[in-house]
Amino acid sequence: AQSVTQLGSHVSVSEGALVLLRCNYSSSVPPYLFWYVQYPNQGLQLLLKYTTGATLVKGINGFEAEFKKSETSFHLTKPSAHMSDAAEYFCAVTLAGAGGTSYGKLTFGQGTILTVHP
Amino acid sequence: DSGVTQTPKHLITATGQRVTLRCSPRSGDLSVYWYQQSLDQGLQFLIQYYNGEERAKGNILERFSAQQFPDLHSELNLSSLELGDSALYFCASSVGPQPTEAFFGQGTRLTVV
Repeated sequence: AQSVTQLGSHVSVSEGALVLLRCNYSSSVPPYLFWYVQYPNQGLQLLLKYTTGATLVKGINGFEAEFKKSETSFHLTKPSAHMSDAAEYFCAVTLAGAGGTSYGKLTFGQGTILTVHP
Repeated sequence: DSGVTQTPKHLITATGQRVTLRCSPRSGDLSVYWYQQSLDQGLQFLIQYYNGEERAKGNILERFSAQQFPDLHSELNLSSLELGDSALYFCASSVGPQPTEAFFGQGTRLTVV
């Protein structure tokens, strides 16, 4: 089984400031972890993912995230926020491996709405 | 554009009715996933099909059913609709049986009145 907790349903930053969106996961086996972004009236777009290998992963639009197994975390960061980053961000987990029906689904957190002030 | 096409974009229907949502996956993708997004429940996984076969099942109500056709498009059938079924329904697709790189459609917004 797997679950995701996103800390903070709303985060507000100034343009140019650091963006930090927090995600903690629970998984019975090694996880694959994802961050998705959703703009108003749009579908979800994959920002970045961790499957295996390097624990610091870089994604689109200057975002990156670090997989920390000891902390069961996968926080999303961006050094300098841009107005166009305003959106809702979702952390998601699925189970690594190829067995069972639990491996076919992405489990999402509740989402964090990022507001960027000029 | 993710390459995943969902129709219709909007649907308004009455309680007790039945509707069908359609999804065309990206070219070459064999997996189709259905999700429901609502304010109170968030994003909930409903069901996955892989190459025509049901592979994973989530919190899908018995009033809901889905299938994947030989051309790999998928349909989600919702019947005996209730007000609480009003939500955004997303389809996603991936190449393989796991959603390691899943691409989402723009969704179908269902309003039950």
